[in-house]
Amino acid sequence: NAGVTQTPKFRVLKTGQSMTLLCAQDMNHEYMYWYRQDPGMGLRLIHYSVGEGTTAKGEVPDGYNVSRLKKQNFLLGLESAAPSQTSVYFCASSSGQASNQPQHFGDGTRLSIL
Amino acid sequence: AQSVTQLDSHVSVSEGTPVLLRCNYSSSYSPSLFWYVQHPNKGLQLLLKYTSAATLVKGINGFEAEFKKSETSFHLTKPSAHMSDAAEYFCAVKTSYDKVIFGPGTSLSVIP
Repeated sequence: NAGVTQTPKFRVLKTGQSMTLLCAQDMNHEYMYWYRQDPGMGLRLIHYSVGEGTTAKGEVPDGYNVSRLKKQNFLLGLESAAPSQTSVYFCASSSGQASNQPQHFGDGTRLSIL
Repeated sequence: AQSVTQLDSHVSVSEGTPVLLRCNYSSSYSPSLFWYVQHPNKGLQLLLKYTSAATLVKGINGFEAEFKKSETSFHLTKPSAHMSDAAEYFCAVKTSYDKVIFGPGTSLSVIP
């Protein structure tokens, strides 16, 4: 059972470089999310999507862009990486509108910006 | 505004003793509440959820949590800790289809 798959698992970038993180889910979920996790701060929502072709800003969207061209994929882009974006990034998905639907998480992408 | 407070950043227990991880929430109306566990280098895994049915919720691996509206609490407990329970635990509140708020996490250590 694949669930939510994130690629790559690790990456080191130099300041100013760009990259795209890929999230793929095989559960036919409508909702997808990108979080960043920093020590002592829990998870903070970057962007999310409520369906194919839609995206919305979360709590900390600056410096990131996203796209949801296909239902199963949710891409997170860093156009010009900054050291403050060093973090662990998690993608999650959930099935429906009901508030009791939990989120399913990938194993994370560990990103270091030098 | 909704928020989640986890009162302890770190909890240490001996193997075989009870576990109590505390969570308090703030919500303007009846929330759905979740506990997740995160093992090293892994994503978050759902332990249990409260969705306005029974106030005592049983989850996986022997964990349970009790929703207390009067105290705005949703504490996680387990009668007997196992070494494999050592992990980071997150309480979360969901009040709409598109927003989940996570607490800062509690790191659980289990001493042999």
